[in-house]
Amino acid sequence: EVQLVESGGGLVQPGGSLRLSCAVSGFTFTSYEMNWVRQAPGKGLEWVSSISSSGSTMSYADSVKGRFTISRDNAKNSLFLQMNSLRVEDTAVYYCARNNPFFDPWGQGTLVTVSS
Amino acid sequence: QSALTQPRSVSGSPGQSITISCTGTSSDVGGYNFVSWYQQHPGKAPKLIIYDVSKRPSGVPDHFSGSKSGNTASLTISGLQAEDEADYYCCSYAGSSLYVFGTGTEVTVL
Repeated sequence: EVQLVESGGGLVQPGGSLRLSCAVSGFTFTSYEMNWVRQAPGKGLEWVSSISSSGSTMSYADSVKGRFTISRDNAKNSLFLQMNSLRVEDTAVYYCARNNPFFDPWGQGTLVTVSS
Repeated sequence: QSALTQPRSVSGSPGQSITISCTGTSSDVGGYNFVSWYQQHPGKAPKLIIYDVSKRPSGVPDHFSGSKSGNTASLTISGLQAEDEADYYCCSYAGSSLYVFGTGTEVTVL
């Protein structure tokens, strides 16, 4: 069974940092591009970042460029999102998703709350 | 990276057909046949229902269909059912490993 399980969310103050993780199982992780997608409370979906299967190519939405860094550990079937200089508007549920180039499947999401 | 434009809400009676539009530009929807659609029920993760403009993943009912003309993609739900009440999002590849989602449409079954 294909599974994606996010972790690492929580409450952080503006300007702070947080590292999200996504543990993957049930498919050949090294064969797929992976992504982070977020959804602010009561709002729509927003693509955040993608990383190629090898980890050599990363891309970011303008809203997070320069503050967030996507990475992966192919030996541990894991995807990461390092979030620095967090803003109130980064508050959202963050989902990891496999890309093909459509997003499927998705994890259950982890909530990040940026507030003082 | 502007969001694709979708109607805020669409409604229909059981058994009716509805269509949700998704308007972008020649740099995203019009430039690639990589448009996908997602269904999201409250409190749940999104679920893929259409990919590559008009293809249905296995297990997705055939009353969902997708199409594209120019810079606008469309999702049609034929024979609307109560369980189709949800939020729907389109998504398009926008080149250079970038992606953009639509603004989302709330579907109500009357």
